[in-house]
Amino acid sequence: GESVGLHLPTLSVQEGDNSIINCAYSNSASDYFIWYKQESGKGPQFIIDIRSNMDKRQGQRVTVLLNKTVKHLSLQIAATQPGDSAVYFCAENRQAGTALIFGKGTTLSVSS
Amino acid sequence: DGGITQSPKYLFRKEGQNVTLSCEQNLNHDAMYWYRQDPGQGLRLIYYSQIVNDFQKGDIAEGYSVSREKKESFPLTVTSAQKNPTAFYLCASKPGQPYNSPLHFGNGTRLTVT
Repeated sequence: GESVGLHLPTLSVQEGDNSIINCAYSNSASDYFIWYKQESGKGPQFIIDIRSNMDKRQGQRVTVLLNKTVKHLSLQIAATQPGDSAVYFCAENRQAGTALIFGKGTTLSVSS
Repeated sequence: DGGITQSPKYLFRKEGQNVTLSCEQNLNHDAMYWYRQDPGQGLRLIYYSQIVNDFQKGDIAEGYSVSREKKESFPLTVTSAQKNPTAFYLCASKPGQPYNSPLHFGNGTRLTVT
């Protein structure tokens, strides 16, 4: 079935670098997307979201980009810190009354 | 502090036994969800409930059951019919409206069945 997927299972960066985590989705009807961060043994934490009527949204040190033409979502983390090390999931909501569909996740490792 | 409480954090059971995982929220959210997470995998939806006394099956509902008698509580029972019950179980909630809003997650229960 259709699902949200991620391009790379792992990403290793140096402290201070910018990180880009990618996600491809297959359902063109999806109109809401979220990025979550999950630390070991904990539940996912909300990072940032974007609706399909937007191409870009910025938060504190994070930016989400949405390209509906190629069905691609990315999360950019500026000046990556060791505390950013975690698994990052993208998720999509396809329609009202249903639940979020999650991708498999990208493990971000930040070395100092 | 408002939030979602899942208990216990670790749970051990023998094969063939039913076990119930607790999820309580004091966020006054209408909708509640159960997801299952296996190592290196994303989250898969088991059941969800958008209102008290109503719930819907998710993608992997077989071997699980839920109830939603109170707004604050959404317990999940893992039955002996669930073939691979060992996993990390996550409960989440969100307001009923708007539908395009983020889920708030608890910190999970790790269930081990031997």
